[in-house]
Amino acid sequence: GDSVTQMEGPVTLSEEAFLTINCTYTATGYPSLFWYVQYPGEGLQLLLKATKADDKGSNKGFEATYRKETTSFHLEKGSVQVSDSAVYFCALSDLRGGGADGLTFGKGTHLIIQP
Amino acid sequence: DAGVTQSPTHLIKTRGQQVTLRCSPISGHKSVSWYQQVLGQGPQFIFQYYEKEERGRGNFPDRFSARQFPNYSSELNVNALLLGDSALYLCASRLTGPTEAFFGQGTRLTVV
Repeated sequence: GDSVTQMEGPVTLSEEAFLTINCTYTATGYPSLFWYVQYPGEGLQLLLKATKADDKGSNKGFEATYRKETTSFHLEKGSVQVSDSAVYFCALSDLRGGGADGLTFGKGTHLIIQP
Repeated sequence: DAGVTQSPTHLIKTRGQQVTLRCSPISGHKSVSWYQQVLGQGPQFIFQYYEKEERGRGNFPDRFSARQFPNYSSELNVNALLLGDSALYLCASRLTGPTEAFFGQGTRLTVV
């Protein structure tokens, strides 16, 4: 079945550091890929998405490129801020794989940014 | 416009009891999905409903059931609660196709 693997956390960085959170996936069809963010005590918010190979999703300085050849969707940001501290989830939706229209999530990466 | 709303926000139940959680999707969204998020883990897909029909089900026992009403709101029912059912239950609504899912704040269920 479909699966998402993302790097274990917590990831602790200093403010203005470069961020990479790795995400790889396994899917039977042609998935759409997503990054969601969860701030403390809140629900999930969509951060960015990409629906086909080589697409780049971007939002709030975060970027991720859909790499079919490496089945990856790594999240990057050039200069993180304390306000970026949250849990980040990589997810896929495999609508053409014959499965349910539900999202498959990774386990999440807790990001901590220190001033 | 209101986002996805879930009720109640918190709930404490005893083992063996039954619970019903409620979700109202964003206006115009006909698809509703339910997820279970155990502390420290990613959300796990439970059900998806579209136009009042079940369109998908994750790997959860028959104690879990759901339905969708004509106004597209939804209820998730869990029977014979176990301690392991303690989790944050998230509802998400979306338009059809590969569009983004919008999540509610969740219902925190604690089984004691």
